[in-house]
Amino acid sequence: EIQLQESGPGLVKPSQSLSLTCSVTGYTITSGYDWSWIRKFPGNKMEWMGYISYSGSTNYNPSLKSRISITRDTSKNQFFLQLNSVTTEDTATYYCARGTYYGPKDYWGQGVMVTVSS
Amino acid sequence: DVVLTQSPATLSVTPGERISLSCRASESVDTYLHWYQQKPNESPRLLIKYASQSISGIPSRFSGSGSGTDFTLSINGVELEDLSIYYCQQGNSLPFTFGSGTKLEIK
Repeated sequence: EIQLQESGPGLVKPSQSLSLTCSVTGYTITSGYDWSWIRKFPGNKMEWMGYISYSGSTNYNPSLKSRISITRDTSKNQFFLQLNSVTTEDTATYYCARGTYYGPKDYWGQGVMVTVSS
Repeated sequence: DVVLTQSPATLSVTPGERISLSCRASESVDTYLHWYQQKPNESPRLLIKYASQSISGIPSRFSGSGSGTDFTLSINGVELEDLSIYYCQQGNSLPFTFGSGTKLEIK
């Protein structure tokens, strides 16, 4: 069974960096698919942030392009989100998900709530 | 960016009703349109892919239709467990975008 699980701090101070890990079991992230980060803001708006592909290439939402980095550790079957210079507007629940270009996000993690506050 | 407009924002329903939720795209997304259900404190669950293709394990009362810019998610006989927020998402062009959601409530 494919499972994704996010982990990371639930509280980040403004201007600092947000770092999250997505651990994948049941599927090897280098075998196929794109591996995305998606967030849901208070008020229910959803935003796709970016993905790292099975080959290691990345694509980011232009709204975040200067602040975001998605990397991976293939030996641990994990991928990571780093979002720099956070503000209170980055407060959201962050999800990792598996998908394809054109296709749906078919597996999701349970989500991790991150609050940006001093 | 492709803007997806979902309507209505909230829908009050009676169990057993047949209902339709709308998702309209600001430009054509062909059939690269997917529907998700999100219950409180849960992660989104894929309901329909490529506008009308069913997903294994999803009840047959859920169906999707449409192409281009106009899409519909139908629930034939709403059940109490269907009370959720429903999102559409397009995969036709980057950045991938989501609709603002339709919240299903009990009347």
